[in-house]
Amino acid sequence: DTEVTQTPKHLVMGMTNKKSLKCEQHMGHRAMYWYKQKAKKPPELMFVYSYEKLSINESVPSRFSPECPNSSLLNLHLHALQPEDSALYLCASSQLGSQGAGYTFGSGTRLTVV
Amino acid sequence: AQSVTQLGSHVSVSEGALVLLRCNYSSSVPPYLFWYVQYPNQGLQLLLKYTTGATLVKGINGFEAEFKKSETSFHLTKPSAHMSDAAEYFCAVSDANQAGTALIFGKGTTLSVSS
Repeated sequence: DTEVTQTPKHLVMGMTNKKSLKCEQHMGHRAMYWYKQKAKKPPELMFVYSYEKLSINESVPSRFSPECPNSSLLNLHLHALQPEDSALYLCASSQLGSQGAGYTFGSGTRLTVV
Repeated sequence: AQSVTQLGSHVSVSEGALVLLRCNYSSSVPPYLFWYVQYPNQGLQLLLKYTTGATLVKGINGFEAEFKKSETSFHLTKPSAHMSDAAEYFCAVSDANQAGTALIFGKGTTLSVSS
């Protein structure tokens, strides 16, 4: 299995809703990442997990809450989002100590906040 | 800190013409360099990467790139453009010396191919 699987592919939520994005990989990668991508812009790093521990938080608002319950799963919990949070959310993974092996990206969750 | 600069936010070529997308990097440590392609409403697909060794790197779909340390460049080329190459292209860099570092992306170049 050489894929990163993200669910759901599309999500529409209200500003008072709570929802979660899910990311799963079975490549044995011990680094996992969340990126946010607005239209016509590059992906922007949000969070990095190394060995299931949060190692980087790029000053992301607390309405985004990441979780890494095990080495294969990465979640992003969403609460009280704003319309400007509408974007494509990308998950990626890589082997720790071997970034040259590459980063594998999921196909993303397209989030619309109404 | 590392960064990537992609020169030209939009490049237009004719079908069959040479494709050249420019990328310059800034890094105080040995970099790993990547090119990704993104088609509309899709995720990122790795085209090619430079880690160590041969500086001319060949990727998928006929693309290649050359790492030039003296010029801090990693330009992407393809001898003959196809209509299917129309997409967004991102150059990215990561720190070769530090585990668990994330990719840092350039602003992207939109490639248009006309018939």
